[in-house]
Amino acid sequence: QVQLVQSGAEVKKPGASVKVSCKASGYTFISYYMHWVRQAPGEGLEWMGIINPSADSTTYAQRFQGRVTVTRDTSTSTVYMELSSLRSEDTAIYYCARNCYDSSGYYCIDYWGQGTLVTVSS
Amino acid sequence: SSELTQDPAVSVALGQTVRITCQGDNLRSDYASWYQQKPGQAPVLVIYGKNIRPSGIPDRFSGSSSGNTGSLTITGAQAEDEADYYCNSRDSSTNAFVFGTGTKVTVL
Repeated sequence: QVQLVQSGAEVKKPGASVKVSCKASGYTFISYYMHWVRQAPGEGLEWMGIINPSADSTTYAQRFQGRVTVTRDTSTSTVYMELSSLRSEDTAIYYCARNCYDSSGYYCIDYWGQGTLVTVSS
Repeated sequence: SSELTQDPAVSVALGQTVRITCQGDNLRSDYASWYQQKPGQAPVLVIYGKNIRPSGIPDRFSGSSSGNTGSLTITGAQAEDEADYYCNSRDSSTNAFVFGTGTKVTVL
C-alpha cells in the first residue's frame, strides 16, 4: 500500500532553515510527482511546490520562490523540502502529498503524509 | 498569481443537499479537485476531474463545473460530512497549483 512517512517535528529560531523529509513506499517512486503543502494553525491549505522525481524538475509557488527548495533521492525514494529564512509566520504543519494524473488528463492529490509540525520561535 | 475563492462557511440540515463553490480563472481550462479535511487529520481526496470519485468515497459526493466555477455537491448530508472542504487546480501557464480558501461545512 502507498505510504508517505515524514520526519518528526522541528523547532527552529527565526532566520534558520528547516529540512523535512518524506519517504515514499508502495509504488514506483519516479512515476509520480510529489507536492508540498502547508497549513498554519487555524488556517487553510497552502500549496508550496512540486517535484518530478524522474526529471528532477521543480515548480514553486511564487510566494516561496527563492526560499524553498525541493529535492529527491531516488536511491531511498525520499523527497525533501527545505525552507530558509524562517519567520514566525512559517509555523505550520508541512505535508508531502502524491500527485495523481489519470489517462483523461485530470490532476489530483491522492495520498498524503502524516504531516510535520515546524515551529518557528525565538 | 492565480486564486481560487470559496465561501468561508455553509450549513446544511441532516439529510439535505449542500453545494460548495470554487471560483477562479484556472477553472476555465481545468477541473477542480476537492478535498475533505477533518480536525487533526490530513486532507482526503473526494472528487477530481469530471466528477470522478476515488474508491471508498460515498456517491452522495459529486462534482460539476461551469465557466470559471467548480462545485462540490453533497446530496443527503450526513453528520460525518462535517468538515473543511478545499478545491485545488493547476495553472496551465505556470504548472503551479493552488488551493481554494476553504469552506467549513456544518451539518445541523
